[in-house]
Amino acid sequence: QVLLVQSGTEVKKPGASVKVSCKTSGYTFEGYFIHWVRQTPAQGLEWMGWINPNSGATNYPQTFQGRVTLTRDTSINTAYMELRSLSYDDTAVYYCVRDPRAGDYGDYWGQGTLVTVSS
Amino acid sequence: EIVMTQSPGILSVSPGERVTLSCRASESISTNLAWYQQKPGQAPRPLIYGASTRATDIPARFSGSGSGTEFTLTINSLQSEDFAVYYCQHYTNWPPAWTFGQGTKVEI
Repeated sequence: QVLLVQSGTEVKKPGASVKVSCKTSGYTFEGYFIHWVRQTPAQGLEWMGWINPNSGATNYPQTFQGRVTLTRDTSINTAYMELRSLSYDDTAVYYCVRDPRAGDYGDYWGQGTLVTVSS
Repeated sequence: EIVMTQSPGILSVSPGERVTLSCRASESISTNLAWYQQKPGQAPRPLIYGASTRATDIPARFSGSGSGTEFTLTINSLQSEDFAVYYCQHYTNWPPAWTFGQGTKVEI
């Protein structure tokens, strides 16, 4: 079955960076875009961008442009999200999500990774 | 930027009732709309895509309708496991981009 399994909880200090992994299985990794979404009580669900695992092409919304980098390692079917210059407002649950048709909804979600920014 | 607005924010209902949730787009989005259900501590679960197509394994009591700017999620005969938060999502075809509504909480 299709699975997206994310790395565990992170605690970071303001100004630091965090890198979250999303290991996929049960389908052809290169065949489906992966999006990243975060959830906070204040902002709700926020879309952070996507990566095409086949080409490595990425796209980010203006909100996160310059601060987030999405990458992938096709040898281990894993996608990564790195967020830099963390502030308290970046405390959130981060999700990786599969897009079944590149420009569609999210059909499979990772379990989420809690990132807490605290001094 | 398209803004998705859901109403109401909270809906208090009883099991067995029919529930109607609304989602409005700030401009026309055709039928590029999905609905998700989220329970505490879980990731969102897709219910509907293309405004009216049920996702895999979603019971028939969930239905979606609408196009353009006005969309509705209907849950017939609400079950105990349906108490959750529901989100609508607009998606663009190319380049892909997602925008979520703020959610509607369905509570007992």
